[in-house]
Amino acid sequence: AQKITQTQPGMFVQEKEAVTLDCTYDTSDQSYGLFWYKQPSSGEMIFLIYQGSYDEQNATEGRYSLNFQKARKSANLVISASQLGDSAMYFCAMRDVIIAGGTSYGKLTFGQGTILTVHP
Amino acid sequence: DAGVIQSPRHEVTEMGQEVTLRCKPISGHDYLFWYRQTMMRGLELLIYFNNNVPIDDSGMPEDRFSAKMPNASFSTLKIQPSEPRDSAVYFCASTRDPRRQPQHFGDGTRLSIL
Repeated sequence: AQKITQTQPGMFVQEKEAVTLDCTYDTSDQSYGLFWYKQPSSGEMIFLIYQGSYDEQNATEGRYSLNFQKARKSANLVISASQLGDSAMYFCAMRDVIIAGGTSYGKLTFGQGTILTVHP
Repeated sequence: DAGVIQSPRHEVTEMGQEVTLRCKPISGHDYLFWYRQTMMRGLELLIYFNNNVPIDDSGMPEDRFSAKMPNASFSTLKIQPSEPRDSAVYFCASTRDPRRQPQHFGDGTRLSIL
């Protein structure tokens, strides 16, 4: 079974500093994908970044980058130049593969989340 | 493009009542997912459709929960009868390809069962 672990219930960072949110995963699959989502206090789920297990380079999207260490099974999110609007819950998720009717499908398993607070 | 649209945004009802949550996925997305989010259990996948057909409903908690997708642009999640422990935020999400594309979430329905 897939498992995602986010060991930091809460993190604090000063505005304009960088912060790393940890995510480790456990899988026996060779092909998998890792996603990060942001959930602000308003409640919506916002997709941030994706890393495929066969992608050779770490994913980047603006101020977000993913520190992907395959051997360690970790996919940490790095947010550079933090802004007050980055204060939110952050979820790491892994794409799981299920087989139904001879066809493979993907579904997400989410970690418990990390609450990030950015201080001015 | 419009995102995933869920209704209602908030629902407060009494125990024993039937509750129907609605979802319109993004046009062209063949995969639709229903999730439940609670403090205790986090985000849980309830059921997942591909081309309007349920693929995996192993997350549906019990027979009181049912989900349908009568066409590519509409899905419902029904709870009958509702119980206080069903209180949660229910999200609908859709994607073109769950293996490589992100799932796009609706704003959720905050359900309170009194």
